Amino acid sequence: DTAVSQTPKYLVTQMGNDKSIKCEQNLGHDTMYWYKQDSKKFLKIMFSYNNKELIINETVPNRFSPKSPDKAHLNLHINSLELGDSAVYFCASSQDADSPLHFGNGTRLTVT
Amino acid sequence: LAKTTQPISMDSYEGQEVNITCSHNNIATNDYITWYQQFPSQGPRFIIQGYKTKVTNEVASLFIPADRKSSTLSLPRVSLSDTAVYYCLVGEWLNAGNNRKLIWGLGTSLAVNP
Repeated sequence: DTAVSQTPKYLVTQMGNDKSIKCEQNLGHDTMYWYKQDSKKFLKIMFSYNNKELIINETVPNRFSPKSPDKAHLNLHINSLELGDSAVYFCASSQDADSPLHFGNGTRLTVT
Repeated sequence: LAKTTQPISMDSYEGQEVNITCSHNNIATNDYITWYQQFPSQGPRFIIQGYKTKVTNEVASLFIPADRKSSTLSLPRVSLSDTAVYYCLVGEWLNAGNNRKLIWGLGTSLAVNP
């Protein structure tokens, strides 16, 4: 009965490959997010969706494309992976902009 | 751009009260302060949120002075399991105030010793 679940937990891949990370929330929330946490532990927002509509799109390379098939899912597809993409990616959800965020346990992406 | 400043690290002992202070000099008049806790290999977890004065829940208390330029998270009687990184956050309101973007800093790494 995990609230925000993301798969896979670990992802090791080579430069140039394309990969996806899936996220699902069963909280009935309207808003979902993708965050990137680098080796220095900075958490940076990448995207935010509200009811399947893109709300926040930070200066993220075009190689990153979020896809929200429905309100409960927000997947992250990454094309042409680069070494600098190595990080922990967190999915989160909230009922609305004022409400606390619920985070998944992260996907550790390692690009070799 | 509102930002927060908090100590990089703190040490404490089991059973003590821990106070972590955060400064947010440029907080917007309509914004509030939010605190999250993060354990290794886990996503951040919401602790407490407040706009002014004092807020208390079963986990912590949050003290916010009248000028709102700082806030203090108070953890009563910490245990070893409270060892974590604690983030103090303010936000930016986007899209005519309908969406709030949280601004994350490096947080305070709290180590609770036996």
